Amino acid sequence: DAGVIQSPRHEVTEMGQEVTLRCKPISGHDYLFWYRQTMMRGLELLIYFNNNVPIDDSGMPEDRFSAKMPNASFSTLKIQPSEPRDSAVYFCASSPRTSGNTGELFFGEGSRLTVL
Amino acid sequence: EDKVVQSPLSLVVHEGDTVTLNCSYEVTNFRSLLWYKQEKKAPTFLFMLTSSGIEKKSGRLSSILDKKELSSILNITATQTGDSAIYLCAVGGGSNYKLTFGKGTLLTVNP
Repeated sequence: DAGVIQSPRHEVTEMGQEVTLRCKPISGHDYLFWYRQTMMRGLELLIYFNNNVPIDDSGMPEDRFSAKMPNASFSTLKIQPSEPRDSAVYFCASSPRTSGNTGELFFGEGSRLTVL
Repeated sequence: EDKVVQSPLSLVVHEGDTVTLNCSYEVTNFRSLLWYKQEKKAPTFLFMLTSSGIEKKSGRLSSILDKKELSSILNITATQTGDSAIYLCAVGGGSNYKLTFGKGTLLTVNP
């Protein structure tokens, strides 16, 4: 299996622009997670989906952030408008039903976002 | 609020040394504790612990959970430069039954 695939790997944008991050989970995995990693706050869960349905979005910082999962093989995380404090590495992860949301997660290689 | 604290924050050792990394937690509805290794990219899974006192081992790495003390340790014996990484501890549980990560321990192994 190819693993979790994220794009873009790096994104540099200017404040106010829209940013869209993409994720393809491992085929057959029921859970998909979006995490954000910064030096100050570490890895923080933003939102997770089970069978394409958003279950917990309490970690989404504010209304500028939105996430969708239109089908089992694709998810997006959108930031509109972006701000410099959104600069971070955004990880997508997936897990099978047997792991659920408290077991082993399989991470993508991350999207490094820099907002100028 | 669920909390996971790792110590030390960073550690520098020489090849061949043995290291012990610590993770303590305050999480309601505890389900699991996981260790991950993060080099330059994605965190990769090491261990998952759910029962107290049972050691999990993989080569030179081992880990054990103490539910009474709400903590876990990760041991690495005979360290190698390839062990240099950030080691992340995550605890599953909480009111929303999700993983909460600590900030990690940065381990540097010098030749």
